[in-house]
Amino acid sequence: DTEVTQTPKHLVMGMTNKKSLKCEQHMGHRAMYWYKQKAKKPPELMFVYSYEKLSINESVPSRFSPECPNSSLLNLHLHALQPEDSALYLCASSQALGAGSEAFFGQGTRLTVV
Amino acid sequence: EDQVTQSPEALRLQEGESSSLNCSYTVSGLRGLFWYRQDPGKGPEFLFTLYSAGEEKEKERLKATLTKKESFLHITAPKPEDSATYLCAVQARMDSSYKLIFGSGTRLLVRP
Repeated sequence: DTEVTQTPKHLVMGMTNKKSLKCEQHMGHRAMYWYKQKAKKPPELMFVYSYEKLSINESVPSRFSPECPNSSLLNLHLHALQPEDSALYLCASSQALGAGSEAFFGQGTRLTVV
Repeated sequence: EDQVTQSPEALRLQEGESSSLNCSYTVSGLRGLFWYRQDPGKGPEFLFTLYSAGEEKEKERLKATLTKKESFLHITAPKPEDSATYLCAVQARMDSSYKLIFGSGTRLLVRP
């Protein structure tokens, strides 16, 4: 089983709203990731968690706030987003944050900011 | 600077017409090269990991190879269901951590 589950699949939110994206995996992976993908572009790394601790923050604006409550769950809290933040948000996990550890992706949350 | 370049940007094939996609990379100390397939509006689907020059991996009509500077994804006798964007990524060291660096992808269209 290489399943990473993301909810919701689609989300429309206003610029003053607060919402959260959720990601769950039960593969025992200890590294989890958030990526942002715009149309016809490759995924761009946002955050990396390793053993529930933030390992990489790619200078993401503070209106995006990640949280890793336990080794199976990863959240992305959204507040005061801009229309240009509309994108496909992808969660991924890998066995560890180490060399050669392949990442498995969820199906993504399509976010539209109006 | 670590970099991944994929070519061609787009490729149109007739069903059964074999071809290859290219991924060239510059990274200080390759720790893994990954191939993914992505359908529109979906997350990338893992295909292969390659670690060292000379390594090859196969899955159905796909075969991935690796040299010291590039990787190829060979598609033999493709079918319309192989139409997708194929992404190449390398794992690079970042401070005390690791990150995946993606290429821009090759959009493959296989016509019946």
